[in-house]
Amino acid sequence: AQSVAQPEDQVNVAEGNPLTVKCTYSVSGNPYLFWYVQYPNRGLQFLLKYITGDNLVKGSYGFEAEFNKSQTSFHLKKPSALVSDSALYFCAVRGPNTGFQKLVFGTGTRLLVSP
Amino acid sequence: EPEVTQTPSHQVTQMGQEVILRCVPISNHLYFYWYRQILGQKVEFLVSFYNNEISEKSEIFDDQFSVERPDGSNFTLKIRSTKLEDSAMYFCASSEREGHNSPLHFGNGTRLTVT
Repeated sequence: AQSVAQPEDQVNVAEGNPLTVKCTYSVSGNPYLFWYVQYPNRGLQFLLKYITGDNLVKGSYGFEAEFNKSQTSFHLKKPSALVSDSALYFCAVRGPNTGFQKLVFGTGTRLLVSP
Repeated sequence: EPEVTQTPSHQVTQMGQEVILRCVPISNHLYFYWYRQILGQKVEFLVSFYNNEISEKSEIFDDQFSVERPDGSNFTLKIRSTKLEDSAMYFCASSEREGHNSPLHFGNGTRLTVT
């Protein structure tokens, strides 16, 4: 069965510093990986995806993520954090055997950027 | 930018009552979904819908649940005989295409409280 692990419940970082939100996955076959962000009382907003090709993918709001097949990871990164980046971040995976459209989400990581 | 809209934003109902959660997907999207998020827990897939029929559903989506696209714009989730454990945020989502290259666009959710 497909699964995603986000080992950190919360990540704290000072504004201007680089940030990393970790994600590891387990899927049969080639994974299709996504990051979503959730602001308070809002739905999930798509940030970026990895389907194939370059292991470093760039997304919205200056975020990027690196796909590492050997480590089965897809960590979210940003070179310089903003206070407005504070939100809940979800990693998700969809695999060839996941089903028609089903996304499997991680438990989420709360990012707190301090001024 | 087009959005997925959900109504109501908050629904309170008594145990045993039926509720209908409403969604208007993005107009040119063809694939529709419901997810739910119990407070403090992960986002869980409920059902996907395409071409006026369910394409996939999770084990959560039992006979208590049903979905419908009653007209060309609305997509509804009906919960019959609600239970306390149905209290959650329910997110509608849509995507333009099938397959792994089409990110889901989520609405802001309906918070369902069953008392």
